[in-house]
Amino acid sequence: QKEVEQNSGPLSVPEGAIASLNCTYSDRGSQSFFWYRQYSGKSPELIMFIYSNGDKEDGRFTAQLNKASQYVSLLIRDSQPSDSATYLCAVRSGGSYIPTFGRGTSLIVHP
Amino acid sequence: DAEITQSPRHKITETGRQVTLACHQTWNHNNMFWYRQDLGHGLRLIHYSYGVQDTNKGEVSDGYSVSRSNTEDLPLTLESAASSQTSVYFCASSEDPGNGYTFGSGTRLTVV
Repeated sequence: QKEVEQNSGPLSVPEGAIASLNCTYSDRGSQSFFWYRQYSGKSPELIMFIYSNGDKEDGRFTAQLNKASQYVSLLIRDSQPSDSATYLCAVRSGGSYIPTFGRGTSLIVHP
Repeated sequence: DAEITQSPRHKITETGRQVTLACHQTWNHNNMFWYRQDLGHGLRLIHYSYGVQDTNKGEVSDGYSVSRSNTEDLPLTLESAASSQTSVYFCASSEDPGNGYTFGSGTRLTVV
């Protein structure tokens, strides 16, 4: 059973701070890593994804992979109250076309 | 603009009734998926399809069925609704699941 674990939170950070969200995965053969943002009552929205060969930065968002420790992080710089949402991690292993989702981490950015 | 739409947005039905949730996408994606989302469980895959006439079971497929007669639509049918199927249902599509999904806006289903 491939597992993807996230701390449910909430993670509370002040406006302007860096928010760091983590996601651990069990399958060492995982190849793709996705971060979705889900506002309350809305559907998940893809923020960014990375492959096993490197990190990615997109504006205020950075996804980083630590293969040795089997976790992927999402860093949000200059956090804004509008970043308050649940962040879902999804991981796709090499043997499957379908990613496994974590249960999500709730982020609260307070003014 | 291309989009993925789900209907209805909200549905209340009685135990034992058959219910069909619609999902329609204009992205021309071959890959379509149905998930349910419950507190404490996250997103769980119900059924998916890689193209017309192709359907596959996900991890929580019991009591659900899908059919794929064209590229645009993947309706989800609950054969005999049960209270355990009260949930929020999301449809998603993708040109390449390796690059992530686009989700519909969801259907909140209540079985009483």
